[in-house]
Amino acid sequence: GGIITQTPKFLIGQEGQKLTLKCQQNFNHDTMYWYRQDSGKGLRLIYYSITENDLQKGDLSEGYDASREKKSSFSLTVTSAQKNEMAVFLCASSIAHYSNERLFFGHGTKLSVL
Amino acid sequence: GDSVTQTEGPVTLSEGTSLTVNCSYETKQYPTLFWYVQYPGEGPQLLFKVPKANEKGSNRGFEATYNKEATSFHLQKASVQESDSAVYYCALRLMSNYNVLYFGSGTKLTVEP
Repeated sequence: GGIITQTPKFLIGQEGQKLTLKCQQNFNHDTMYWYRQDSGKGLRLIYYSITENDLQKGDLSEGYDASREKKSSFSLTVTSAQKNEMAVFLCASSIAHYSNERLFFGHGTKLSVL
Repeated sequence: GDSVTQTEGPVTLSEGTSLTVNCSYETKQYPTLFWYVQYPGEGPQLLFKVPKANEKGSNRGFEATYNKEATSFHLQKASVQESDSAVYYCALRLMSNYNVLYFGSGTKLTVEP
């Protein structure tokens, strides 16, 4: 088995601040993802990466940057936090294959912006 | 575009009653369909998948049939338990990009004793 570790679990920021969320996986999976979870809107894809140093934009990439410097880690940066923003950011990983069965998710980072 | 639409929540049921969470999808491609479940404080996890039209998937007493004609994939359980309280997501994956999963908006289920 493996695990996905997201840090920090809780993140409080100020309006306009640049904030970085980190994700580590020990599944040795090729593909990693960042999803944003908002109540009533489900999971929306921000960025994904199919291998080290690869980045692919999802539907919600505006306002975010991502970095995949190692196969095991994937970081997400909120470039300018929005006042009163509140959301959970979920990291996930999977094998990169057409028979891919599933995504494995971390427990999330909860963001609050004051 | 490609999308999934599911039952608006939240849904509250009494233990022992039946559950149906509706999920419809829109795509011109041939999708693989999934149901994920997210328990409080955890990330979503795969409940089951159904790769082919007119087939049924099931796990832990939950089931869903991939209805290609109706473009639907409704989740059902005959008798819910308090431990089923969670958020349920339907999702689809397309062969044009098998790396990406498109999720619905989620349905929060609360089961009361």
